[in-house]
Amino acid sequence: SQQGEEDPQALSIQEGENATMNCSYKTSINNLQWYRQNSGRGLVHLILIRSNEREKHSGRLRVTLDTSKKSSSLLITASRAADTASYFCATDAGTYKYIFGTGTRLKVLA
Amino acid sequence: GAGVSQTPSNKVTEKGKYVELRCDPISGHTALYWYRQSLGQGPEFLIYFQGTGAADDSGLPNDRFFAVRPEGSVSTLKIQRTERGDSAVYLCASSLGRVIKEQFFGPGTRLTVL
Repeated sequence: SQQGEEDPQALSIQEGENATMNCSYKTSINNLQWYRQNSGRGLVHLILIRSNEREKHSGRLRVTLDTSKKSSSLLITASRAADTASYFCATDAGTYKYIFGTGTRLKVLA
Repeated sequence: GAGVSQTPSNKVTEKGKYVELRCDPISGHTALYWYRQSLGQGPEFLIYFQGTGAADDSGLPNDRFFAVRPEGSVSTLKIQRTERGDSAVYLCASSLGRVIKEQFFGPGTRLTVL
């Protein structure tokens, strides 16, 4: 079964707008990662946030983590058409087994 | 340097046949993962190798699925007596090891069982 659940399942925005997607998980974690997937093939790592961190930035990406609520959010600022992809969160639960969520399909309209 | 490669990129087989899917991880990466992804779903964990040994194979759906990594580099996922429900994209990923968690994914093998 998949631990992570992304919300919303699909998101459509205009170029230049910000996109926010959320991930909820069920069990305690050591870290949480966000990945992007284009065209249903290989995933690309975006950012990793550890359980003792609350916020992390990488370029136009901002990730927050609230371990008390077992949730994380990914914010993409000033979105571009090239950001169109599916975004997944992945959690490890104290092992090296990673559980991916169901993903958010983001569409950025030019 | 070269990324993770997977062969073949597409595989069409008939129900009941045996298939092998190959993964070449990034050189020096000790950890290797196999995932299966169905349409509209996230990657589903199958098995994790640390070096040559399968550290966690709890995601393999049944005994028709088996994976090896005999020299701690290339890995092969083997599926016996394929079923139509095995149709999916099979993804391989590698990472440096226990401390570095970032996974680098290959492009996947799309398996279609007719």
